[in-house]
Amino acid sequence: DTGVSQNPRHKITKRGQNVTFRCDPISEHNRLYWYRQTLGQGPEFLTYFQNEAQLEKSRLLSDRFSAERPKGSFSTLEIQRTEQGDSAMYLCASSLRRGGPNTGELFFGEGSRLTVL
Amino acid sequence: DQQVKQNSPSLSVQEGRISILNCDYTNSMFDYFLWYKKYPAEGPTFLISISSIKDKNEDGRFTVFLNKSAKHLSLHIVPSQPGDSAVYFCAAISQGGSEKLVFGKGTKLTVNP
Repeated sequence: DTGVSQNPRHKITKRGQNVTFRCDPISEHNRLYWYRQTLGQGPEFLTYFQNEAQLEKSRLLSDRFSAERPKGSFSTLEIQRTEQGDSAMYLCASSLRRGGPNTGELFFGEGSRLTVL
Repeated sequence: DQQVKQNSPSLSVQEGRISILNCDYTNSMFDYFLWYKKYPAEGPTFLISISSIKDKNEDGRFTVFLNKSAKHLSLHIVPSQPGDSAVYFCAAISQGGSEKLVFGKGTKLTVNP
């Protein structure tokens, strides 16, 4: 399978604990995105990487959230001191773009569902 | 502030008939509009898009119409098939430097055999 891979698929944690999600994008894709989706809502943008550089962060990404893409390949999203409001599906997406307009076509993974008790 | 709105949470149609999913937006700076389809336990998958300089784009059974003056777009599926049953998200993006794709809340389409 050469699609976007996310792990773990489901994480249950207690409030106050730290969690980390991993995303492996499609191998040749230079852009990687994290989105969050809560029940009844559409995906909401969190952050974006071009290669290893984090170029954009949403104000939704509080200081408890940190994302990295150390070698421009896989990415991690860590949430520290989780709160019940962090319960959501965390979606990773990737794309390949070298110049030209951003048409918004992304390849999404299946997501990592976080449940904070 | 919901910049992309899908006012119908659900839609049910008969197999073979037309499905019309609607979307409204408020930001006139959007340059591209997209539809994504999502099955349960899967991530969204890109379906079709349209540039703001066009008013129609067709791909097989799927056609997207854009009415810029009304800030409205729609997705037509003809003929509808049971396998089209999914949640459809309308999304939009501008070229103003942000990579943020803005999604609506989605419309759950059910195609009955």
